Amino acid sequence: GAVVSQHPSWVICKSGTSVKIECRSLDFQATTMFWYRQFPKQSLMLMATSNEGSKATYEQGVEKDKFLINHASLTLSTLTVTSAHPEDSSFYICSVIRGIYNEQFFGPGTRLTVL
Amino acid sequence: AQTVTQSQPEMSVQEAETVTLSCTYDTSENNYYLFWYKQPPSRQMILVIRQEAYKQQNATENRFSVNFQKAAKSFSLKISDSQLGDTAMYFCAFMKVHSGYALNFGKGTSLLVTP
Repeated sequence: GAVVSQHPSWVICKSGTSVKIECRSLDFQATTMFWYRQFPKQSLMLMATSNEGSKATYEQGVEKDKFLINHASLTLSTLTVTSAHPEDSSFYICSVIRGIYNEQFFGPGTRLTVL
Repeated sequence: AQTVTQSQPEMSVQEAETVTLSCTYDTSENNYYLFWYKQPPSRQMILVIRQEAYKQQNATENRFSVNFQKAAKSFSLKISDSQLGDTAMYFCAFMKVHSGYALNFGKGTSLLVTP
């Protein structure tokens, strides 16, 4: 069964509004979660590492004030896209680490369209 | 920084045939993991196979096997007895051990299995 869920699966919003995406670890506690972004026909690019109880670590070039990450519990991390613009339209995917090999399990992704 | 290169943007194979997807990487690390992930049209990322760099033996998972050449920094994926359900994007990924465990993906290879 699914290990990681994301909500919503797709969202359409107007330019200038904020959108929150949830990532839940369903059957285990995840101290670390990752957020990736995938543009059409491109690869996954790591945006940030979300650590439970502490500030997220952002990759170079990712605006931390625009992409707010909150990892308030061991089963939930949220990504808020603030003041969204059309160029933020993308597929956002989260993942969690599990097991002795630190294997990553991915959520089903959230498609964001900003009009 | 690690780079992962997949030189085949698209490939096609007939059902029941064998296909090999190539991947090379560049790193100065000695301890790392390599992965192949599959992303079908649903866009759910699925782990296909994993290889630990310290292991000389090539990993196999049913119809999927890898040819890991550490000195050449090459990590190819062989799919035997291809099935229509193997049609997907395939991403090669690199992970440093003990350094955050984030994945660094190649650009992907789009594989089409034809009847």
